[in-house]
Amino acid sequence: IVMTQSPDSLPVSLGERATINCKSSQSLLYSSNNKSFLAWYQQKPGHPPNLLFYSASARESGVPARFTGSGSGTDFTLTISSLQPEDVAVYYCQQYFTTPFTFGQGTKLEI
Amino acid sequence: QEQLVESGGGLVKPGRSLRLSCEASGFIFSDFYMNWIRQAPGKGLEWLSYINPSGTFTYYADSAKGRFTISRDNAKNTLYLQMNSLRDEDTAVYFCAGGSPFRHWGPGTLLIVSS
Repeated sequence: IVMTQSPDSLPVSLGERATINCKSSQSLLYSSNNKSFLAWYQQKPGHPPNLLFYSASARESGVPARFTGSGSGTDFTLTISSLQPEDVAVYYCQQYFTTPFTFGQGTKLEI
Repeated sequence: QEQLVESGGGLVKPGRSLRLSCEASGFIFSDFYMNWIRQAPGKGLEWLSYINPSGTFTYYADSAKGRFTISRDNAKNTLYLQMNSLRDEDTAVYFCAGGSPFRHWGPGTLLIVSS
């Protein structure tokens, strides 16, 4: 499954909304539980990725409420409602619907 | 506190072999699927392999198939990646990660393959 993120780079002003899109080449929806097997990660320089969302919209413990994951099937969105300085990072979507697990190419969020 | 720590990276010549280790603590290692993921310098994330909790089932990305072998020792809370016939393009930071999706990550270990 090919994961395609847009844009590759996203300049956003502090306090403004940031929206990152992720599209999968086939549906990630598992029919038995109606959940999409899509995760979002944040990676800051010199650090490993950090899981933000799973099942497309389930927020991981400790993730600020300004982050929202949405979407289903093949189209997904990560939204940051009001950008903070600490949100500068590269964001990746990843499908775990089937092997080989695959990541999007990443979106670099900058001020 | 859940922790994963990789080790074993370094500078290796092309064609050589190397084994990476990942030691887990703070969670029940034997309950988790475990993965190896790598990141070439300045590039994105590439999943390489996973192993099921008992160690009886493994799966590999095409880039790892035939050269890399994942294994685990649940008694030692340790995950391994045996890498053979290393190539320049294997140069990357190698992360171990637990769960699916990848909830727990180590800080990574840098492997440089160069003559």
